[in-house]
Amino acid sequence: AQSVTQPDIHITVSEGASLELRCNYSYGATPYLFWYVQSPGQGLQLLLKYFSGDTLVQGIKGFEAEFKRSQSSFNLRKPSVHWSDAAEYFCAVVGYNNNDMRFGAGTRLTVKP
Amino acid sequence: DAGVIQSPRHEVTEMGQEVTLRCKPISGHNSLFWYRQTMMRGLELLIYFNNNVPIDDSGMPEDRFSAKMPNASFSTLKIQPSEPRDSAVYFCASSLGIYQETQYFGPGTRLLVL
Repeated sequence: AQSVTQPDIHITVSEGASLELRCNYSYGATPYLFWYVQSPGQGLQLLLKYFSGDTLVQGIKGFEAEFKRSQSSFNLRKPSVHWSDAAEYFCAVVGYNNNDMRFGAGTRLTVKP
Repeated sequence: DAGVIQSPRHEVTEMGQEVTLRCKPISGHNSLFWYRQTMMRGLELLIYFNNNVPIDDSGMPEDRFSAKMPNASFSTLKIQPSEPRDSAVYFCASSLGIYQETQYFGPGTRLLVL
C-alpha cells in the first residue's frame, strides 16, 4: 500500500523568506499526490495536486510543488512566506485504482515576523 | 456552494453514551469519506461511500463504530458506546467520484469523551 513521509514535524521561517516542505512517498506505480493545508480549528483545504503531465504544479496562495520520480518526492515550495501561511501542511498520496488516501503526519509551519 | 457541512462542531459526552456525527456532502458529489484525526495517529480514513454504498470500511476501528449513508445528501457516523480513546476530530469529506478525485473537507467535529 502507498504511504507518505513528511520528515519535518515543525518548521519556522521568517516572513518573506522562502519555504520548502518535504514529502516523500512510497508506491510501486505512478502515484496521485496532493498537498492540503489545515488552519487551526479548520478542515483541510486543497493547495494543489499532481496526477500526470508537467511535474511542476502550481496551486493556490502562491504555492507550487514538484514531482520527482527519481527521488520519490513531492516537495511544496513558496518563494515568499506570508504570516497567514502559518498552518499545518499535509502531503497525501492515492494509488492508481484505489481511493485509500494516505496522509503524512503533517508539518506545522510557524512564521516569524 | 455551502461546502461540506458537519454537525455538531463540538460534542462532549460521557463514556458509554451514544454519539452521532452528521455530514452533508457537497451537492452532486458521489463519494463521501469519514476521517479521524488525533495527535497520536494523525489523519486516518475510517470508511468511504460511493453512490451511498460503503466501499471500504477497513479503517473503522471496531464494532462500536458504524456509518450509514441513507441518501446522497446525508451520512452519519455513530459510536456506541463511546470511550475516552474515541476523543478526536472527525472529518467528513466528499468528492465527485472515487479514484483520485479531489476531496473537499468539512470543518470537522471535535469529540471529547469523558
